[in-house]
Amino acid sequence: DAKTTQPPSMDCAEGRAANLPCNHSTISGNEYVYWYRQIHSQGPQYIIHGLKNNETNEMASLIITEDRKSSTLILPHATLRDTAVYYCIVRVDSNDYKLSFGAGTTVTVRA
Amino acid sequence: ETGVTQSPTHLIKTRGQQVTLRCSSQSGHNTVSWYQQALGQGPQFIFQYYREEENGRGNFPPRFSGLQFPNYSSELNVNALELDDSALYLCASSYRGAHLNEQFFGPGTRLTVL
Repeated sequence: DAKTTQPPSMDCAEGRAANLPCNHSTISGNEYVYWYRQIHSQGPQYIIHGLKNNETNEMASLIITEDRKSSTLILPHATLRDTAVYYCIVRVDSNDYKLSFGAGTTVTVRA
Repeated sequence: ETGVTQSPTHLIKTRGQQVTLRCSSQSGHNTVSWYQQALGQGPQFIFQYYREEENGRGNFPPRFSGLQFPNYSSELNVNALELDDSALYLCASSYRGAHLNEQFFGPGTRLTVL
């Protein structure tokens, strides 16, 4: 699986949008971009995934650049409960469900 | 729908001992993966079980072993514990065969080796 690069930390004001960048310059054509988050003392939680097109669900939006070398996870209205470590992962669509986590971005939402 | 559960929540062992951690997969899921998460790091893949057989393994020594049972629950066994084995052990279940079905994680077992 391709490697990803994320900033180690970022702050966000409550109620504002949080934009989390991720670089995956070696991504292959058949690799998807996944985002998970891990709130303190809990297991990781799936947020969203995409291949080429932008995706949106009830939790977040995922914007993937046209060359697919980077992406941005957007939390539209951050709340204190969104404080967590956010992981960007790329993986192939196969029966190999291994997830390769990096260090992630520690997001702190401040009141 | 019952989520992924793990037991125990916390465990303290001494170096050289053996430990067994347990995981019940989410209803309808047939695959279980185990991850080790050291303090301040992301989870690292240990191995995955499907149809009661190991299906993929990360860079972990043979003293890390596992089982999957007919009801899809799973155990992680670690022999000859070392201090570096202190970590949060996460279990994740998924349904093999579904397109890009995400993994659902349990809350983890915090293992401390003294």
